[in-house]
Amino acid sequence: KAGVTQTPRYLIKTRGQQVTLSCSPISGHRSVSWYQQTPGQGLQFLFEYFSETQRNKGNFPGRFSGRQFSNSRSEMNVSTLELGDSALYLCASSLVAGGTNEQYFGPGTRLTVT
Amino acid sequence: AQTVTQSQPEMSVQEAETVTLSCTYDTSESNYYLFWYKQPPSRQMILVIRQEAYKQQNATENRFSVNFQKAAKSFSLKISDSQLGDTAMYFCAFMKRRTLNRDDKIIFGKGTRLHILP
Repeated sequence: KAGVTQTPRYLIKTRGQQVTLSCSPISGHRSVSWYQQTPGQGLQFLFEYFSETQRNKGNFPGRFSGRQFSNSRSEMNVSTLELGDSALYLCASSLVAGGTNEQYFGPGTRLTVT
Repeated sequence: AQTVTQSQPEMSVQEAETVTLSCTYDTSESNYYLFWYKQPPSRQMILVIRQEAYKQQNATENRFSVNFQKAAKSFSLKISDSQLGDTAMYFCAFMKRRTLNRDDKIIFGKGTRLHILP
């Protein structure tokens, strides 16, 4: 089975722009979660989608949004980019939502905001 | 709110030695999961080991084992016979056991960067 894929792998944007990141889960997985990883804050949960519905959301401003499609692929959007949004964005998929289900992580998208 | 603390930002050990990574957490919940994740340099994060709080027996996966002390809210990871490939960032994480309408997002510690020296 193919693993979790994320596109693009690297991205450079300027302040004020918006960006869309994509995540394709492992085939058959219905849950997708997004995380932001920075050296200062570590790994922080952004949101989780299951069957096209957002099930959980972290403490991020409304500039961060996401969605999930019927094929379980997910996109994350960040509007009005700020320098502090520079980070590695990871997505993870699992069969269903819940701690008993192992999350499989993608390689991440490294976003640099200048 | 739950918190996860990893008090060792960075550690180095010689190959073949045993190393223990510390993790403490704070919660008022009784049912939850604890995880250790490994993120090798420039590689994807993978789950190393998982512990369910209601299980008293410590989880073990080959050379990786945990010391779960529920009363002390401690969840340390022991790596035996360490190998060069164990060099990575290790994250401890906590998740409330999922029930309807409950907040159950996963919370990570800041990580411990482990170097295995040849």
